[in-house]
Amino acid sequence: EAGVTQFPSHSVIEKGQTVTLRCDPISGHDNLYWYRRVMGKEIKFLLHFVKESKQDESGMPNNRFLAERTGGTYSTLKVQPAELEDSGVYFCASSQGASGGRSVGETQYFGPGTRLLVL
Amino acid sequence: AQKITQTQPGMFVQEKEAVTLDCTYDTSDQSYGLFWYKQPSSGEMIFLIYQGSYDEQNATEGRYSLNFQKARKSANLVISASQLGDSAMYFCAMREGQGEYGNKLVFGAGTILRVKS
Repeated sequence: EAGVTQFPSHSVIEKGQTVTLRCDPISGHDNLYWYRRVMGKEIKFLLHFVKESKQDESGMPNNRFLAERTGGTYSTLKVQPAELEDSGVYFCASSQGASGGRSVGETQYFGPGTRLLVL
Repeated sequence: AQKITQTQPGMFVQEKEAVTLDCTYDTSDQSYGLFWYKQPSSGEMIFLIYQGSYDEQNATEGRYSLNFQKARKSANLVISASQLGDSAMYFCAMREGQGEYGNKLVFGAGTILRVKS
């Protein structure tokens, strides 16, 4: 079974440019999460999709970030315009979630991350 | 708010020895889950082990075990018979309750483990 995949693995852009990150969850997983680790800090939650619906976007830092999951399969996270402080590693995770992701024991499986550097 | 504390920024262990990575948590919820993930230098996050707050037995998965002390709010990871391939960053994470929204993970800062030959 294929795991969570993310594209690109690395991205280097200039401040003010736009970048779109893509995540393909494990097939059949309804729940999709985005997390971010900024240099030197903890991994932080950004948002959670259940199928194509945004269940929780409380971690999105500001309106420069836009996440979509059309059709409930893959997801994209767009940063527009990118700022220096957006640099970090962006992780995607998925879980099976018949409970809508609400079971405390439901394991989230992570992708390899996208390393974003904004210059 | 939830909080996960990993007090060990880095640890060394001799190959074939056991090592304990510390994790304490803070929550007012009765129902929660604790997870450990491994992040090798290649960057992917690998799920290792899970402990539920109502589980009476400590979780074990192969060489990994979780020393769960509920009263102390600690969930330390024990790796037995360390191997060179265990060298990685290790993250402790928690999910609380069954809130209105899906339950995100809250992570600790991580512990870098280096296994010496």
